[in-house]
This record gives sequence, C-alpha cells and structure tokens, in this order.
Amino acid sequence: GEDVEQSLFLSVREGDSSVINCTYTDSSSTYLYWYKQEPGAGLQLLTYIFSNMDMKQDQRLTVLLNKKDKHLSLRIADTQTGDSAIYFCAEMPNYGGATNKLIFGTGTLLAVQP
Amino acid sequence: EAQVTQNPRYLITVTGKKLTVTCSQNMNHEYMSWYRQDPGLGLRQIYYSMNVEVTDKGDVPEGYKVSRKEKRNFPLILESPSPNQTSLYFCATKGQGTGYTFGSGTRLTVV
Repeated sequence: GEDVEQSLFLSVREGDSSVINCTYTDSSSTYLYWYKQEPGAGLQLLTYIFSNMDMKQDQRLTVLLNKKDKHLSLRIADTQTGDSAIYFCAEMPNYGGATNKLIFGTGTLLAVQP
Repeated sequence: EAQVTQNPRYLITVTGKKLTVTCSQNMNHEYMSWYRQDPGLGLRQIYYSMNVEVTDKGDVPEGYKVSRKEKRNFPLILESPSPNQTSLYFCATKGQGTGYTFGSGTRLTVV
C-alpha cells in the first residue's frame, strides 16, 4: 500500500547540517518532493527530484535518492534558526497519470537551537 | 502573482451547522485538490478534481462534498460538521509539469 514514513523530530544546533530522512513504498513514483511548513503557514515547495536522479543540489539543500531502498533524504547545510519548521516528504505514485495524488509523510519537526 | 486563495483562514462552528470553505486559483490549472492535516498523520487527500465537472474521492472523503462548476473555484462543503472534522485544511492546484501550489490553509474547529 501507500505509505511514507519520517521521523517525528530532529534537533540541531545553528550552523550544523541537518539531515531529514524519509522512506516511501511506491516504486512507481516519478517525483518525490520536500515541503516546508512554518508555524501558522501553508506548505512551501522546497525542492523535488525525479526518480531517475540520485542527487539534486540547490544552494544549501541537497536531496539524495536511493531507489533500491526507497529512501529519500534532505540535507540542509549551515542550518539557521529560520529553518525551524515541519518538513514533509511526499511522493506522487504513477497511476498512469490519472490522479496526480500526493502521498505525504507525517512530517519532521526541525528545531534549530541558537 | 500565481496563488491559491482559501477563505476563511479560521473558522469555529457548531456541530451540524453547514459550512463551505472556498478555494480559488488564478493559474488556469485543471487539477485541484483538498487535503486535511492532522498531527501525527500528515496530510490526507479528501477530494480531487481533474477538470470542470469532474470530481472524485480521495482517501478520507466521508462527511465532505465538493463541486467544480468552473475551473478556478473548488469549494469544500461540510453539510453536517462533526468534532472529528476539526482540522487544518489545504486546497491545492497542480499544472502540467509543475509541482503543487497550496493555499494558506483553513483552521476549522467544530464544537
């Protein structure tokens, strides 16, 4: 079935790197996403990766994809207090393009200590 | 500016009183969807619409209705709200080859 799992909480010190992990179940997923939700705000698309890629880098963000293990990670370099938020991993299973449905993980709360 | 607008942002209502949460997008996208967010459960899809007059159930449709009479609007209707529908609701749209764009959310409390 469809399931995306994340750890619930991560605490880091300002300036350190953060690594948020995610496992997914549907190997047909073409796209995998990372969203950020700040307190009281909506969901902001941070980055996404195509399933035929192993890695994608965008400034302080690095996404690693291990298709064999169905494991996705988001690394934030030089983590700042402004990075404190809930981070959601999401996959879009390929139902022949029928539904565009996003399956979300439970979210990881990142707390950055000054 | 491309955006998805939801109203209201906050709503407190009583059990059984019908309510509608509106959603409007200005991106001319065909696909729209509603999600609810609950602690420890992430976001779950309620309903989606592939195009005007085409809607279908998501994972948690019970107690909700939607309509899609025009491309830009996709209201979420709770005919008889109950306390277990207290949640944070997000409307979203998606275009061809693009990711989802989410609204700012509607926090609903049913007492």
